[in-house]
Amino acid sequence: DQQVKQNSPSLSVQEGRISILNCDYTNSMFDYFLWYKKYPAEGPTFLISISSIKDKNEDGRFTVFLNKSAKHLSLHIVPSQPGDSAVYFCAASGGGSEKLVFGKGTKLTVNP
Amino acid sequence: DAGVIQSPRHEVTEMGQEVTLRCKPISGHDYLFWYRQTMMRGLELLIYFNNNVPIDDSGMPEDRFSAKMPNASFSTLKIQPSEPRDSAVYFCASSRGLAGGTDTQYFGPGTRLTVL
Repeated sequence: DQQVKQNSPSLSVQEGRISILNCDYTNSMFDYFLWYKKYPAEGPTFLISISSIKDKNEDGRFTVFLNKSAKHLSLHIVPSQPGDSAVYFCAASGGGSEKLVFGKGTKLTVNP
Repeated sequence: DAGVIQSPRHEVTEMGQEVTLRCKPISGHDYLFWYRQTMMRGLELLIYFNNNVPIDDSGMPEDRFSAKMPNASFSTLKIQPSEPRDSAVYFCASSRGLAGGTDTQYFGPGTRLTVL
């Protein structure tokens, strides 16, 4: 039973265009959501987060949108750069649990 | 700070052997997490500690897996006996506080385990 789902295993975009990575969750108790980025042979690194009291959080080229009614969040990268090529993990926590529940990840490739 | 340190980075062993993975968290972090990454299941939490005490080990797959944290600067994940299906990348992470706050988890580089 996957509580956090990233239905697209991979995504390919052109440099300079927008990258949109999607994530769905099933547990309505989740109240904090995060995106992690992972390069090959490295551990995941924190990218951006959003609390359930917000519907948008922006940090430079990265914006996360949260739609609580749809239990859906997305990560927008504008403009995309080749260095953004990595695996992106969506994660969630909440309901009094300290645990992060991760999705399976989406591999983003940004082509020059 | 050197970040979370894991050793070894790669481990190749034969089925039935004991495997010990090691982790040194970031100094001052009260929480330590062990994760496993596989193609099939993605990144899954195995166990986590708070102030060296195991809090939730519900993700540990079976009794062959055990984890300890004898002090604030060291933790081990042991698999005995190992099986080919244990082949995965194992990550250790640490954080100051709750995941739901501003305390993010910092991951180590991982240990790639191959069980033949």
